[in-house]
This record gives sequence, C-alpha cells and structure tokens, in this order.
Amino acid sequence: DAKTTQPPSMDCAEGRAANLPCNHSTISGNEYVYWYRQIHSQGPQYIIHGLKNNETNEMASLIITEDRKSSTLILPHATLRDTAVYYCIEQTGANNLFFGTGTRLTVIP
Amino acid sequence: DTGVSQNPRHKITKRGQNVTFRCDPISEHNRLYWYRQTLGQGPEFLTYFQNEAQLEKSRLLSDRFSAERPKGSFSTLEIQRTEQGDSAMYLCASSLALLYGYTFGSGTRLTVV
Repeated sequence: DAKTTQPPSMDCAEGRAANLPCNHSTISGNEYVYWYRQIHSQGPQYIIHGLKNNETNEMASLIITEDRKSSTLILPHATLRDTAVYYCIEQTGANNLFFGTGTRLTVIP
Repeated sequence: DTGVSQNPRHKITKRGQNVTFRCDPISEHNRLYWYRQTLGQGPEFLTYFQNEAQLEKSRLLSDRFSAERPKGSFSTLEIQRTEQGDSAMYLCASSLALLYGYTFGSGTRLTVV
C-alpha cells in the first residue's frame, strides 16, 4: 500500500492559517494526492486533491512541491469547526484510497 | 438527495451471530466503496463496486464477509459468525469517479460482545 507520512498532531490558533504537511515520497507520476478530514463520529469528508499544480477551492489550498514528494494543506482561517483528523492520501491504483493515520488538528480558541 | 445513508447507525451483537448493514449511495453515483475503521486508525478499504459489479476486494475481506449491490443501487455488507475482532466502524462511500472524491456516510458502528 502506498504510504504517506504526517505529523500525528498539530495545534492552530483560531483565525490563523493551519498548514498541514505531508510527505508522499513513493508517489508515482500519475497518482493524485487527496486530502480528507474526519470530524469525531462522522465519516471522512473530501477536501481537495491535486496532481502537480497547486489547487484551491472553497475549503482549502493544496501546495504540492515541484518534485511531488510532499504537499501542504492550508486552511486559511481556521475555526473551531476545523478541529478534526486530516488525512493525506496517495491514490493506490484505480479504485481505492489508502488513508493512513492522519494528523489530528486542534484549533484553539 | 441528502448524501450517503447507512443503517443501522449502531449494532450490538453476540459473537457468532450474523449481521447485515445497508448503504444507500447518492443516486447518480455508480461507484460504491466499503471501508472499515478501528479506533485510532484511518479507514481501511474493504471492497469496491461499479454499478452492480464487485470489481475489487481487499485481503481484509475474509470469507465471512460478503457484499452485494443488486441492481447497482443500494449495497449490503454481511458478516457471518461475527468475532470480537470485527468490532469497528463500517463506512460506505460513493462517487462518480475516483477523481471526484468520495462522499462518505456516517457509518455503522458494530460492537461484538
């Protein structure tokens, strides 16, 4: 299974940007990087995905390094509702995603 | 359409009993996935359907597990002769395609006593 490396936990002050790093050194040229988050007692929620270019949507921005070995998910203005486990995921073949253990982000008032 | 629906939300069963969970995906999504999640871990892939065809199964899906998706709409996941190690959250997700991202349901929490 494809592996990503994320810090187990991070804190962020409310209103500040949350920058969540991820290493995906085994990623191959045509595999996407996905980010999901999971709030306690809920199913995971899709956030964003990218291949090589930086991406932005209404939830977050994704910055992918030129060598594609790492990426950073940016929540520009973290709120208390952004407290969750964030998963950085490599696509592992055509039909499924390998989640790993993620980063537990705590937004502090 | 209110998203992916899973029933029941919680199930407590005695070891050795059979259990069945249901997933109703978003109606226009032809892809359906089952994942399992234990405490402190990320979701683990179990199986994938495209329409009614089960196209991929994880090695985690032992012969006590069976999944169906008749007519390519709702899906069921059955566990026969449950064991305590089957206690977990069982998550269902659907999508139009991998690149569209998955929409997950809230899961069914199984406790085997």
